[in-house]
Amino acid sequence: AQSVTQLGSHVSVSEGALVLLRCNYSSSVPPYLFWYVQYPNQGLQLLLKYTTGATLVKGINGFEAEFKKSETSFHLTKPSAHMSDAAEYFCAVSRTGANNLFFGTGTRLTVIP
Amino acid sequence: EPEVTQTPSHQVTQMGQEVILRCVPISNHLYFYWYRQILGQKVEFLVSFYNNEISEKSEIFDDQFSVERPDGSNFTLKIRSTKLEDSAMYFCASSRPQQGANTEAFFGQGTRLTVV
Repeated sequence: AQSVTQLGSHVSVSEGALVLLRCNYSSSVPPYLFWYVQYPNQGLQLLLKYTTGATLVKGINGFEAEFKKSETSFHLTKPSAHMSDAAEYFCAVSRTGANNLFFGTGTRLTVIP
Repeated sequence: EPEVTQTPSHQVTQMGQEVILRCVPISNHLYFYWYRQILGQKVEFLVSFYNNEISEKSEIFDDQFSVERPDGSNFTLKIRSTKLEDSAMYFCASSRPQQGANTEAFFGQGTRLTVV
């Protein structure tokens, strides 16, 4: 069985501050892990993904995430928040890649000027 | 940049009516998906479609649901007799294996279905 837990449904950070969005997963097999972002009135856009290989993955817009198997975590970070980062962020896990993604409940990021 | 497009953006239907949600996946993609998100809840997988047949479906995707690729471009989700609890945002997605791996799904903007 697979599941994703995102701690914190709402996160607020000041512009320029570190962004940390937490994601823990459970999976019976080596997982594929994803972060998606949803801007208001838009679809889900892939930020980054972990499939195999390097555990630190870099995505678009300066975001990165580290796969830590021992902690079953895949937290999303960005060193310096920008106003345009305000959005809903979803962590997802899959056994097989793009198919049958299990999503977390999402974290709404607010950036305070 | 190629994108997945969904129509309509918002649909209101009466309980018991049939509804068809339409999607145009990215043109060279081979896998197609439907997800839904009930307000305030998780995005949930409904079904995946490959090579003109369902490859995987969730428990949510019962006999009231069906999918079809009627031509070379459209991918539709039909709900035969809508219920109030079908009210949700429905997302279509598509993907294409690259370098032997199918790892990136591209999502549309969603269709908000309201059943009254």
